[in-house]
Amino acid sequence: SQTIHQWPATLVQPVGSPLSLECTVEGTSNPNLYWYRQAAGRGLQLLFYSVGIGQISSEVPQNLSASRPQDRQFILSSKKLLLSDSGFYLCAWSAEGRNTIYFGEGSWLTVV
Amino acid sequence: QKEVEQNSGPLSVPEGAIASLNCTYSDRGSQSFFWYRQYSGKSPELIMSIYSNGDKEDGRFTAQLNKASQYVSLLIRDSQPSDSATYLCAQEGQNFVFGPGTRLSVLP
Repeated sequence: SQTIHQWPATLVQPVGSPLSLECTVEGTSNPNLYWYRQAAGRGLQLLFYSVGIGQISSEVPQNLSASRPQDRQFILSSKKLLLSDSGFYLCAWSAEGRNTIYFGEGSWLTVV
Repeated sequence: QKEVEQNSGPLSVPEGAIASLNCTYSDRGSQSFFWYRQYSGKSPELIMSIYSNGDKEDGRFTAQLNKASQYVSLLIRDSQPSDSATYLCAQEGQNFVFGPGTRLSVLP
């Protein structure tokens, strides 16, 4: 069966520091991968999605970036965090046919 | 702009009652619709998917889709306190679009 893992689960970072969140999917090949952000009391905001290695589409211009160095690995990064980057970050995957989307456990980021 | 709208709630129902959650969408081209449940502080988990007009039942949950009126609903029968969560409606288009969620509170 397919599983998705995301880490770290929680982190507190100072303003201006870098960020790296990592996500891996097991049990499937060539998945579509997504990064979402959910601010406190808000809905899910799609940040990036990827349909293959090195193929990244950005939905919202900001100081975040994403990379997909391997088929089942998706990384969210920032060189300098802002206070507004605080939130709940969710990695997700769907099969190549984009039928259903499944979420990882999520990462709570607090920028102080 | 593709949008999915939901009443943010909170929707409060007594234990054992039927909870009715509604969602409207703007993209007529979408063929697939989903309901997710999100407990506080946790990631969303898939409850049901529906692709055709009509009703789809799974245990205590029934999803209803009306493409002509562009709405999707979720009925929860015999609501339990453990059903208290935020319910997200989503549609599949070029990318998945999620509604803001409806917070459900089931009162013992």
